[in-house]
Amino acid sequence: QVQLQESGPGLVKPSQTLSLTCTVSGGSISSGDYYWSWFRQPPGKGLEWIGYINYSGSTYYNPSLMSRLTISVDTSNNRFSLRLSSVTAADTAVYFCARIPRGRRYFDYWGQGTLVTVSS
Amino acid sequence: EIVLTQSPGTLSLSPGERATLSCRASQSVSSSYLAWYQQKPGQAPRLLIYEASSRATGIPERFSGSGSGTDFTLTISRLEPEDFAVYYCQQYATSPHMYTFGQGTKLETK
Repeated sequence: QVQLQESGPGLVKPSQTLSLTCTVSGGSISSGDYYWSWFRQPPGKGLEWIGYINYSGSTYYNPSLMSRLTISVDTSNNRFSLRLSSVTAADTAVYFCARIPRGRRYFDYWGQGTLVTVSS
Repeated sequence: EIVLTQSPGTLSLSPGERATLSCRASQSVSSSYLAWYQQKPGQAPRLLIYEASSRATGIPERFSGSGSGTDFTLTISRLEPEDFAVYYCQQYATSPHMYTFGQGTKLETK
């Protein structure tokens, strides 16, 4: 069964870049059968879609984050990554990665999430 | 951007009762693009229903989804203790290419 695991710093300073990685196990990220996505959830609030990438590197981003966002894929290590620049306290959230079956519009497997706090 | 509004915000029921959760969209949503998730504290969301009415793998039959256009419903026929959680609906829109969630319904024990 596929598993996704987020990793990265739990604390980022304002104006710096937030970087997270999602490692996929139990399946190949380059199979082409799935797209790979990021979400976030501020403490006590709802879910926000950040963006997704497919195995070939094609990306779709949330328009509200597009100017600060880069999602990339590393097929040799079966993982994909998120970089969000110029962070502020408003970017403090639990960040999740998830999988989208190709051709579908829902998220069937999720990582457990990792809390990132933006603070000096 | 399509906005999803879930109601009620909080639903207080007892185990064994029937739960009906609503998700209303600001514009028509294709049934193929509507999903429901369950989230418990400290956990990731879990897919329950996709394409408005199809149960995800391993989801009990007491969970069902229905609706079309702008009005969608998640029904839990007989509540089990493990069903008390927050539930989110999610939609996909083509223009702009975007996924959005409702604000959630908290299902709590009465």
